Amino acid sequence: RKEVEQDPGPFNVPEGATVAFNCTYSNSASQSFFWYRQDCRKEPKLLMSVYSSGNEDGRFTAQLNRASQYISLLIRDSKLSDSATYLCVVNTPGAGGYQKVTFGTGTKLQVIP
Amino acid sequence: GAGVSQSPRYKVAKRGQDVALRCDPISGHVSLFWYQQALGQGPEFLTYFQNEAQLDKSGLPSDRFFAERPEGSVSTLKIQRTQQEDSAVYLCASSLDPGQGKKQFFGPGTRLTVL
Repeated sequence: RKEVEQDPGPFNVPEGATVAFNCTYSNSASQSFFWYRQDCRKEPKLLMSVYSSGNEDGRFTAQLNRASQYISLLIRDSKLSDSATYLCVVNTPGAGGYQKVTFGTGTKLQVIP
Repeated sequence: GAGVSQSPRYKVAKRGQDVALRCDPISGHVSLFWYQQALGQGPEFLTYFQNEAQLDKSGLPSDRFFAERPEGSVSTLKIQRTQQEDSAVYLCASSLDPGQGKKQFFGPGTRLTVL
């Protein structure tokens, strides 16, 4: 089983729709969580951190469920410009006191006019 | 610019050739990561530096892969005797926080094609 798993999609949704992605992780010792966005043939860019209490940034809401070991990303009122691959990132304490960073395979979102 | 830069952006190598990929992190960033991203996959961790110390190289796929950061700033990823399966985008990321890995800033990547 992969350490971090995501549904690769693609998720094809109409403009204005609400879409949600989940990401599961296998290591219960994981401590911090993020969503990155990656446009085609570009580098990943941080979208938002995920906090235990859940957090919102405009149309984007991220949530963490430690008991079930998953994080989610909700996008409301989808825009064409939201079309991208969304990467889940999980940090787990590694040897030597640093945080090992693991990416999921990404979920591809295509917003259709 | 103030971002992470990588060079070359594109590299075509013949199988068996050695290649060297360079990463210039954001000035003052303590942490530096290398990732390998195959088509349609997420970035796979290769190695991590805290300043000049290579704290984790568990992701390097074979002993043909070697990374260094001798002065704690610029880093080089070297691949010896390249194979076709080494074809991928190699991403470098840096982070201000030592040992944290959060808020990583990525470079544009080097797209390596091995023929």
